[in-house]
Amino acid sequence: DIQMTQSPSTLSASVGDRVTITCRASQTINNWLAWYQQKPGKAPNLLIYQASTLKNGVPSRFSGSGSGTEFTLTISSLQPDDFATYYCQQYNSYSFGQGTRLEIK
Amino acid sequence: QVQLVQSGAEVKMPESSVRVSCQASGGTFSSHAINWVRQAPGQGLEWMGNFVPIFGRTNLAQKFQGRVTITADGSTSTVYMELSSLRSEDTAVYYCARGQLFGYSSSHFDSWGQGTLVTVSS
Repeated sequence: DIQMTQSPSTLSASVGDRVTITCRASQTINNWLAWYQQKPGKAPNLLIYQASTLKNGVPSRFSGSGSGTEFTLTISSLQPDDFATYYCQQYNSYSFGQGTRLEIK
Repeated sequence: QVQLVQSGAEVKMPESSVRVSCQASGGTFSSHAINWVRQAPGQGLEWMGNFVPIFGRTNLAQKFQGRVTITADGSTSTVYMELSSLRSEDTAVYYCARGQLFGYSSSHFDSWGQGTLVTVSS
């Protein structure tokens, strides 16, 4: 099975900050990677797929990059609505990273 | 705009089974996959399996083979996930999620149901 490792597990930041979350796959997954945002008590919401394609309606401050085994999610200027938990997922065998909780500093 | 509506919360005894439904509306049922993902309290996301209507095919995570059955009723655009031999560790919120077709399976999950809490307790 492909293991997905996210870092950091928790990230403290302020409104306006630029933040980056990293996701590493235990073997190559080409660009078969998605990023999701989840808020407490809610279902996850797709942000990015195919490593770097923004879902329609997702703000352009979100971006994704990478291929092979290393990927990043970047939020260019944090907004209050962005404080949530973020998950990466590979869609070869569908495993998720353990999540990154983005909290207000 | 596709909408996935799941059945309500369940409380089950250990060793019993639970069936959760997911009804799709506003999209083309047969041209997407329906995935099942669960989340234990305070934990991360775990993919369980999917059903691909256009191929009539079910794909299951190895962990759940033998315990999960996924079926569908095309006439009502509803997919069902049944989990048997329940144990306390199966207490979780169960989500269905629509996936784009990717080979005989699914790629990213672009729409999610609201979640169904299943509690396993004696």
